[in-house]
Amino acid sequence: DGGITQSPKYLFRKEGQNVTLSCEQNLNHDAMYWYRQDPGQGLRLIYYSQIVNDFQKGDIAEGYSVSREKKESFPLTVTSAQKNPTAFYLCASSPRTGYNSPLHFGNGTRLTVT
Amino acid sequence: GENVEQHPSTLSVQEGDSAVIKCTYSDSASNYFPWYKQELGKRPQLIIDIRSNVGEKKDQRIAVTLNKTAKHFSLHITETQPEDSAVYFCAASTGNTPLVFGKGTRLSVIA
Repeated sequence: DGGITQSPKYLFRKEGQNVTLSCEQNLNHDAMYWYRQDPGQGLRLIYYSQIVNDFQKGDIAEGYSVSREKKESFPLTVTSAQKNPTAFYLCASSPRTGYNSPLHFGNGTRLTVT
Repeated sequence: GENVEQHPSTLSVQEGDSAVIKCTYSDSASNYFPWYKQELGKRPQLIIDIRSNVGEKKDQRIAVTLNKTAKHFSLHITETQPEDSAVYFCAASTGNTPLVFGKGTRLSVIA
């Protein structure tokens, strides 16, 4: 939808397990982002990547890891080190025009860890 | 780094009335200010954006104003309709760092 596909829509895991969230885009965008959304907290940046094989930490990177082996794909791994992993995760992309261009979001993955 | 404050957190208006959501930012170098609308259970979608060389921008019933001196920008929705009910997010960027978002405003339009 909108060129960005996140899967799965809902994900359930047991505490202590790592889990990987998928994000694929066919918009030919260079930049990709992962945001976490919690009620009343807005969108907080986890990681972002402006180019293949390069990525930077956002504001809340602890307990998360990413890779950017292909332009189209930017998977996010939620590790067991993340203390409060239950949240709604949004992937986004933007053209390579710096940071002053609109973000295109995927439909999100709701992760529940018990 | 940039900090974006958004008010109010919740807003209820009668159908047909206007709604105003305000955001302030901390970094005077910020030059790009988008607004996103997120309907329940859906992804955020861009509804309007403004750049620092413009003071106001309109698109049908929505408008955004920017006051660079005071470092604040606002979203105005006129003639509100039930389908305007959603969470609205403002954001700001200097162009050298990713967008920083406000915490959102839940708008309810009462028919």
